[in-house]
Order: sequence, then structure tokens, then C-alpha cells
Amino acid sequence: AQKVTQAQTEISVVEKEDVTLDCVYETRDTTYYLFWYKQPPSGELVFLIRRNSFDEQNEISGRYSWNFQKSTSSFNFTITASQVVDSAVYFCALSEARGRDDKIIFGKGTRLHILP
Amino acid sequence: GAGVSQSPRYKVTKRGQDVALRCDPISGHVSLYWYRQALGQGPEFLTYFNYEAQQDKSGLPNDRFSAERPEGSISTLTIQRTEQRDSAMYRCASSLAALSNTEAFFGQGTRLTVV
Repeated sequence: AQKVTQAQTEISVVEKEDVTLDCVYETRDTTYYLFWYKQPPSGELVFLIRRNSFDEQNEISGRYSWNFQKSTSSFNFTITASQVVDSAVYFCALSEARGRDDKIIFGKGTRLHILP
Repeated sequence: GAGVSQSPRYKVTKRGQDVALRCDPISGHVSLYWYRQALGQGPEFLTYFNYEAQQDKSGLPNDRFSAERPEGSISTLTIQRTEQRDSAMYRCASSLAALSNTEAFFGQGTRLTVV
């Protein structure tokens, strides 16, 4: 069965510090897709990244980077030089996306506070 | 429209009443998903459609919940005989194709409060 675990419920860091949000997943499939979404205080869910299980290259987008390690079933998210606007709840998610099983399963989220 | 549109944004209803929540996906998006998000929790899958076909309804909590997408575009999630425990944010998402090929985009949600 699919499962996503975000062990960090809440994190607080001071602005400009780097912060890593952990995500561990479980799946029985060899083909799957991993996602990160951001939920700012306004409440919407904003798509950040989608990664398929065959692509283990790390990805960097500005201050955001993602580290995908199949060996440890982890897909961690790092924010470099954090800013107050990064304060939000961040969700890691998984989809096995095969045939009729095309749904995203979310973790419980990590609430990130960036302190000025 | 440019994004996934949900209506109403807020709904307060009395226990025992039926409610219908509407989702208008991004134009041309084939797949449509319904999620429920309780306060402090991640979104919980309810059901999804490919075109008008309901492919998976395993997440619907009980038979008071139903969803339809008759013409493969707009979808309605209906909750009959609402109960206080149904209070949550209901989110709709759409994707251009299967998630093996693309990502899902979420609407702003409908906040349902059952009093």
C-alpha cells in the first residue's frame, strides 16, 4: 500500500537559514511519482515539483532543491537562505499512477515557520 | 478559466441537510480528483474521474457521499444528511492526463461547516 511519512510536524528556523523537510514513502511499485505541494496561510495548495521513480537526479529550482534517494525511499526538500514568505505547510505526496490507481496520497505535512 | 474553480467557497449547513459542492476543472483536463482536508491534516483522497468515468471511489467515507461528472467536465460532490464530522475543506484537483504524465492542480477548496 502507498504511504507517505513526514516525521517533522513543525519546524522553526530564523530567516536566511537553510532548512530540510524530510519525506519517506512506501510503495510496492517500481514505477511511481513523487510530489511536493506548498500550502501558504491563504490556504491554497501550490504545486512545487513532480519526480518519477526512474529519475534520481537531484533537482534545483532557485532556492529550492530536492534530494531523491531510492535506496532509503526518501524525497527530501531543502530551502536555502529561507525567507519569511516560505512560511507554509509543505506536503510530500506519492502516486503509483498505474491504470485505475491514479491518485495522489499525501503525507500529513510539515508546518514551517521562518522567523524574521 | 485559468485554474480549477470551486463553488461555493464557504458553506454552512445544518446537520441533516444535503449539500452539493461544485468543481470546474481546468479546460481540457481529463482527470478530476476530490479530496477532503481536515484541519491540521493532509488532503485525504475521496474519488477520481477520467472523463466522465468514476475510476476510483474507494476514499468516499460512506454511502452518504457521492460524486458525478456527467459530461466529463464539471463535477459535483454531494453529501446527503450531513453530520458534524463532515466539516472540512473539500478540494478538487484536475490534471491534463494521468499522473504518470503530468501533475495535478488544486482549486481553492470549499470550506464546509456543519452546525
